[in-house]
Amino acid sequence: DTGVSQDPRHKITKRGQNVTFRCDPISEHNRLYWYRQTLGQGPEFLTYFQNEAQLEKSRLLSDRFSAERPKGSFSTLEIQRTEQGDSAMYLCASSPPNRDVAKNIQYFGAGTRLSVL
Amino acid sequence: AQSVAQPEDQVNVAEGNPLTVKCTYSVSGNPYLFWYVQYPNRGLQFLLKYITGDNLVKGSYGFEAEFNKSQTSFHLKKPSALVSDSALYFCAAALTGGGNKLTFGTGTQLKVEL
Repeated sequence: DTGVSQDPRHKITKRGQNVTFRCDPISEHNRLYWYRQTLGQGPEFLTYFQNEAQLEKSRLLSDRFSAERPKGSFSTLEIQRTEQGDSAMYLCASSPPNRDVAKNIQYFGAGTRLSVL
Repeated sequence: AQSVAQPEDQVNVAEGNPLTVKCTYSVSGNPYLFWYVQYPNRGLQFLLKYITGDNLVKGSYGFEAEFNKSQTSFHLKKPSALVSDSALYFCAAALTGGGNKLTFGTGTQLKVEL
């Protein structure tokens, strides 16, 4: 088991461009989370999937952001018309099936660092 | 709304001395509490969690944490610090009854010196 994998590790883009990040969770983990971490802050929740269903979205997830998990395995996070304020580390986490979701341990990937110039 | 506070941006401790990294929380109901550690260029690594039961929770690498409901605290402790413990530590909370998302504190940089 190789853990949660995120690609790319680093992304530099110009303002106004679209970017897409990929997350591969630990196999058999049915829950997948996206967080955003800016310098000097803790990770902030963006959205959450259980299998292919997107169950919760944060207010931080503006209409320029979209996340998918089409087959309940890997997930993508797309940011359209990037702004400098989007510069951050985007973290993905996954957790195994459990009746009480909040008890689950979330396993994090190394993240994708986005720099918008 | 739930929140987690880590009042210290940085904690310095000498190797071999005990360490404490502080965390307080504000959630409605009974929280689930977690500690994660982040090393440079690596993802968050789980250390320990409090769900219910014994207030003293033992975790990875010799770390432990004490849940104090009256003080709404969940401080991370280790009896004898190592230089390799130097990293960024995050406290996080999740709500019971369907709280999927983690709410993190701002992090505490631990520096263990020889």
